[in-house]
Amino acid sequence: AQSVTQLDSQVPVFEEAPVELRCNYSSSVSVYLFWYVQYPNQGLQLLLKYLSGSTLVKGINGFEAEFNKSQTSFHLRKPSVHISDTAEYFCAVSGGGGKLIFGQGTELSVKP
Amino acid sequence: DTEVTQTPKHLVMGMTNKKSLKCEQHMGHRAMYWYKQKAKKPPELMFVYSYEKLSINESVPSRFSPECPNSSLLNLHLHALQPEDSALYLCASSHEGQETQYFGPGTRLLVL
Repeated sequence: AQSVTQLDSQVPVFEEAPVELRCNYSSSVSVYLFWYVQYPNQGLQLLLKYLSGSTLVKGINGFEAEFNKSQTSFHLRKPSVHISDTAEYFCAVSGGGGKLIFGQGTELSVKP
Repeated sequence: DTEVTQTPKHLVMGMTNKKSLKCEQHMGHRAMYWYKQKAKKPPELMFVYSYEKLSINESVPSRFSPECPNSSLLNLHLHALQPEDSALYLCASSHEGQETQYFGPGTRLLVL
């Protein structure tokens, strides 16, 4: 069975600082991994995805993530955050049959 | 275009009311999903439709009744809801057999 663990429930960071949001997964089958962002009072927006190929995945808004099979991780990074990046971030793994298994979410709070 | 639309944006209903949530996509996706999201929690899968047929029902109470009238539309009929059903209801869609789901903005439901 698949599962996802987001290691930090809250990450406070100052504007223009780098940030890493950590995600570990467990899966017994081929892995498809996703990061979604949810701004306040909105739906989920796809940031980036790993389906196959290069382990370094670039997404929207300057975010990137690295798939590490040996460490079963898919951490999200941004070299310099903005106030507008304040949001909830969800890591997810495909559970097959159309199911997405979500982590509990990480609240990124960017302070001026 | 990766847009999924949902109406209404907000809905307040009493426990004896009947209402419907609507979801629409024009991306040619043949899989559509309903999720329920409580505050500060990840989305929870409720239903999956594949080629307009219900393929997954995650043991959702019968007061929630999904309907897929055609490949672009997904409805969720609500009847005799409880206050604990208050949540953000999200619709998503994907190409059949592909793992990437695209979410709508959600309907925020309050049951009084």
